Amino acid sequence: EDQVTQSPEALRLQEGESSSLNCSYTVSGLRGLFWYRQDPGKGPEFLFTLYSAGEEKEKERLKATLTKKESFLHITAPKPEDSATYLCAVQAGGGSQGNLIFGKGTKLSVKP
Amino acid sequence: DVKVTQSSRYLVKRTGEKVFLECVQDMDHENMFWYRQDPGLGLRLIYFSYDVKMKEKGDIPEGYSVSREKKERFSLILESASTNQTSMYLCASGTGRYSNQPQHFGDGTRLSIL
Repeated sequence: EDQVTQSPEALRLQEGESSSLNCSYTVSGLRGLFWYRQDPGKGPEFLFTLYSAGEEKEKERLKATLTKKESFLHITAPKPEDSATYLCAVQAGGGSQGNLIFGKGTKLSVKP
Repeated sequence: DVKVTQSSRYLVKRTGEKVFLECVQDMDHENMFWYRQDPGLGLRLIYFSYDVKMKEKGDIPEGYSVSREKKERFSLILESASTNQTSMYLCASGTGRYSNQPQHFGDGTRLSIL
């Protein structure tokens, strides 16, 4: 069964304290892995797509990496405005219909 | 930028009412999706559509139906609202069936059924 697990569920950081969020997946043929940011009361906002192991994408303080079993979202020197829930989703290939499978998210809090 | 607009941010309805949630996208996307999001359960797919007048069941379609009469508009219908349908509802759109491009989301409708 296709599955996505994110850890930790919640993460508290001090401003400037770098860390990583994990997204582990088991799918039959990965077509793409997607990272989203969701602020309270709003819809998920697209951040990155990764397609193959070894690929990396960067945007400001965020860097996403991909291996054959997991993806990491590295946050370098975070600021309070980076506080949000970060969602990971995968799209399986093979015989699936190609819909996204979401993890339950990591809630990040960055204190000044 | 992709724009997905949901007609209401907050909605309060009574048990047994028929409820309509509307979603419009402006990027000529073929695919549209309805999810619900609940604490501890994450996003769950209710229905999706790959083309006008087409619809397919997602993981939790019971108690819901959908309508897609125009490419840009996708409606979610709660046939007879119940309290367990109180939730955050999210609409998304994306390009082409089996496309590995991202889905783009609206800001959601927080629905309360009393």
